[in-house]
Amino acid sequence: DIQMTQSPSSLSASVGDRVTITCRASQTVLTYLNWYQVKPGQAPKLLIYGASSLNSGVPSTFSGSGSGTDFTLTINSLQPEDLATYFCQQTFSTPQTWTFGQGTKVEIK
Amino acid sequence: QVRLLESGGGLVKPGGSLRLSCTASGFSFSAFFFTWIRQAPGKGPEWVSYIGTSDTPIYYTDSAKGRFTISRDDANSSVNLQMNSLRPEDTALYFCARRNSYASSSGRKYYFFDYWGPGTLVTVSS
Repeated sequence: DIQMTQSPSSLSASVGDRVTITCRASQTVLTYLNWYQVKPGQAPKLLIYGASSLNSGVPSTFSGSGSGTDFTLTINSLQPEDLATYFCQQTFSTPQTWTFGQGTKVEIK
Repeated sequence: QVRLLESGGGLVKPGGSLRLSCTASGFSFSAFFFTWIRQAPGKGPEWVSYIGTSDTPIYYTDSAKGRFTISRDDANSSVNLQMNSLRPEDTALYFCARRNSYASSSGRKYYFFDYWGPGTLVTVSS
């Protein structure tokens, strides 16, 4: 299976900061990479698909980039409501082997 | 408005059974694939099972094969997961999610889970 490794595992930043989360795949996944946001007690939310396409209704403060094995999720101007855990997911392989990263917890200073 | 809501979680002893249900609303249920994904405490999400339209295809993660059975009821807009022979390592928050796709101008078809439920907690402990 393709392993997805996120870094950092957690971070603390101030409101207004630019935050970058990295996701690395153990082999190429081209641009078959999604990002999700999970807030405690809430349903996970799709943010980015195809590595860089913003899902409908997601604020433009979120952006994704990368291809191959290295990807980033950027939050421009961090807001209090961005407190959450963020996961990457590859969908390059067959559906029964789609894998997620272990998550990055974003806290507000 | 698209909604998914899981139910059926709870505390069960090792070797026991649970039936999870996911009820959907706000869209044409029969046209979509669905998946069950779980997240154990402190770990990343792990997909468990996947069901296509008209029950085809069906996939299970290796640890679920022979123990879990996924099914769907298009008339009632629900997808179910029957879990038997439960183990402590099955303890997790279980989510159902809808699979969707996007075909880019380059010809690539991207898959993603665009709507999820809030999850139902399964605890397997003696």
